[in-house]
Amino acid sequence: DVKVTQSSRYLVKRTGEKVFLECVQDMDHENMFWYRQDPGLGLRLIYFSYDVKMKEKGDIPEGYSVSREKKERFSLILESASTNQTSMYLCASMGGRAGNEQFFGPGTRLTVL
Amino acid sequence: LAKTTQPISMDSYEGQEVNITCSHNNIATNDYITWYQQFPSQGPRFIIQGYKTKVTNEVASLFIPADRKSSTLSLPRVSLSDTAVYYCLVGASLYNTDKLIFGTGTRLQVFP
Repeated sequence: DVKVTQSSRYLVKRTGEKVFLECVQDMDHENMFWYRQDPGLGLRLIYFSYDVKMKEKGDIPEGYSVSREKKERFSLILESASTNQTSMYLCASMGGRAGNEQFFGPGTRLTVL
Repeated sequence: LAKTTQPISMDSYEGQEVNITCSHNNIATNDYITWYQQFPSQGPRFIIQGYKTKVTNEVASLFIPADRKSSTLSLPRVSLSDTAVYYCLVGASLYNTDKLIFGTGTRLQVFP
C-alpha cells in the first residue's frame, strides 16, 4: 500500500514563528501536493511539485513556501505563522494505475495562537 | 476552471442504496472522473475512477451517461461507517491542476 506520512498530527505555534510541515511518501511518486482544508471551503491547493527541486504555486500560495530536496519528501514552510493559517494541512502524492490518483496523508492540524 | 456540482448533504439509513450525483458540464474529452471519500480527521481516500459507462469495484459503482456531463456514485447497502464526505473530481492530473478542485463535497450521514 502507498503510504504518505506527515510529521505531526497536531501542532500549536505562536504568531510569527517559522513552521515546518514535513511529508514523506514511499511509492516513488514524482508528484506531491500540499492542501489546506477549512470548514465550508473544502480542500485548497497551496503548492505542488512534479520533481525534485521543482515547485509550482497552487491557488493559495501566499504566506507559504515549499521545499523538495528529495523525491520522497515535500516540506511546507510557513515563514511567519499567522492566526489565519490555523487549519488542517494535507499532503498528497499522485500515482496509481491511471497516474492521477492522489494518496493523502493523515493531515496536520495546525493552530496558530 | 473546471467545475463540478454536488449536493451539499444527503441522509440515508443503514442497508439502503445511496446515489450521489455530480454535474460536470464542461468535462473535456480526455478527462477521467474520480471520487474520493473523507472521514473526519483523515485525508481523502480514493474510491473509484471511470471514463464512461459503468465501473464497479468492491466499494462502489460509478455510472457515467453517454454525454459524460454527470456521474453518479452508487454505494450499495450503506452502513454507519459510510458516513463521510464524498468528493467528485474531473480530469484531475498534474497537467490540469485547475481541476485539482475538491470543493466542499457531499456530506453523507447514515442513520441506524
